[in-house]
Amino acid sequence: QVQLVQSGPDIKKPGASVRVSCKASGYGFLAYGVTWVRQARGQGLEWMGWFDPTNAKPHYAQDFLDRVTMTTDTSTTTASLEMRNLTFEDTAIYYCARGGRLHWFDSWGQGTRITVSS
Amino acid sequence: QSALTQPAAVSGSPGQSITISCTGTSSDIGTYSFVSWYQLRPGEGPKLLIFDVNDRPSGVSDRFSGSKSGNTASLTISRLQAEDESDYYCASFASSNSVVFGGGTKLTVL
Repeated sequence: QVQLVQSGPDIKKPGASVRVSCKASGYGFLAYGVTWVRQARGQGLEWMGWFDPTNAKPHYAQDFLDRVTMTTDTSTTTASLEMRNLTFEDTAIYYCARGGRLHWFDSWGQGTRITVSS
Repeated sequence: QSALTQPAAVSGSPGQSITISCTGTSSDIGTYSFVSWYQLRPGEGPKLLIFDVNDRPSGVSDRFSGSKSGNTASLTISRLQAEDESDYYCASFASSNSVVFGGGTKLTVL
C-alpha cells in the first residue's frame, strides 16, 4: 500500500537549519508530486510548496521562498525538506503528502515535530 | 495568499447532519473546482475526505459530501457519529500555482 514515512522529531536552536525526509513506497514515485505542509501549535495547516515530478522542479510558497529547499532522490524514492535560519515561529509539525499535482493530497506522512528552542 | 475562512467550531448530536463552510476568493475557490477536505486527528497525518469539490476517494464513507457555490465551499457530514469528532480542513488550488488551506474547524459530537 502507499506509505510515506517521515524522519523523527528534532530540536534546533534559532538560526540553525533542519532537514526532514519522507520515504515513499507502494506507488510510482515519479507519477505524483510531493507537497510539504506544516502546522504550528494551535494553528491551521500551511502549504509550503511542492516538488513537481513532471519537470523535476520545486515550487515554493511565497512565505518560504528564500528559506527552504525541496528535493527528491528517485533512487531511494525519498523527498526532503530543508529549512534554514530557523526561528521560534518555525516550531511545528511538518508533513509530506502525495498529490495529484496541487488538486488533492491522498496520502500523508505521519508528521515530523520540529521544535526551535534556545 | 490569505487562508480560507472556516468556522472555528461546530457541533452536532449523533444522527444529525452538520455543514462546515469554507470561504475563499475569486483567486481560489471562486475560480477553481479543486477544493479538497481533510480530517486531522492528533498524532496522525491528515486524511483526504473530498477532492475536486464533491468527489470521494474509495473507502471514505458516503456520509461525507462536498459542494461549492461562488467563493464558498462546504463539507456536510450526515448521520453524525461519535468517531467523526475531529478537526477538519478545506484546501483549494489557487492562482500562481499554489494551495491555500482553511484555518480548520473543530467538530464536537455532543
